[in-house]
Amino acid sequence: KNEVEQSPQNLTAQEGEFITINCSYSVGISALHWLQQHPGGGIVSLFMLSSGKKKHGRLIATINIQEKHSSLHITASHPRDSAVYICAVEGGSQGNLIFGKGTKLSVKP
Amino acid sequence: DVKVTQSSRYLVKRTGEKVFLECVQDMDHENMFWYRQDPGLGLRLIYFSYDVKMKEKGDIPEGYSVSREKKERFSLILESASTNQTSMYLCASSAKTGLGYYGYTFGSGTRLTVV
Repeated sequence: KNEVEQSPQNLTAQEGEFITINCSYSVGISALHWLQQHPGGGIVSLFMLSSGKKKHGRLIATINIQEKHSSLHITASHPRDSAVYICAVEGGSQGNLIFGKGTKLSVKP
Repeated sequence: DVKVTQSSRYLVKRTGEKVFLECVQDMDHENMFWYRQDPGLGLRLIYFSYDVKMKEKGDIPEGYSVSREKKERFSLILESASTNQTSMYLCASSAKTGLGYYGYTFGSGTRLTVV
């Protein structure tokens, strides 16, 4: 069983829809990262969080440490949000990342 | 703007060639990482380094080596490239934040094709 599980693997939405991507993990962590990768592109860090909730524009990330679960929400989705979203947890003494396999989001106009 | 720079976006090499992938960061980060990314497998750690001249094997080090002669530069070396090393290679660096966890910055990736 993977230490970091994301769901869904693939997600297709219509422009304007509210989107939720989930991440569950089974190890102790010091922080959780949400990353974004556009087709053919590099990886951009969206959020780092260790508790509660963070918001940046139309993106919201939440984490529940007790339940070992995090969600990434996108409000009023847009085609430019189409990308792979990757959850990664930071554990160990040097903060090495353990990655989920990613959620491929496609937002149709 | 802080960044991690990978020297090439696309590379095509022949089987058996020695291949160097270069990564440079300008943030004075102690930690640097090399990952490969493959469909269905996600990101996997090849090697990492916590200091100059220091290296540690990750999950899939076979067929690779690394060099870190200067703090800002971390090189991935494919000693004898093979077709199963065709992949996207990503470099990252990190440093501990004041909040107790690590901030990561990723490069844009190098898509390597071995023919």
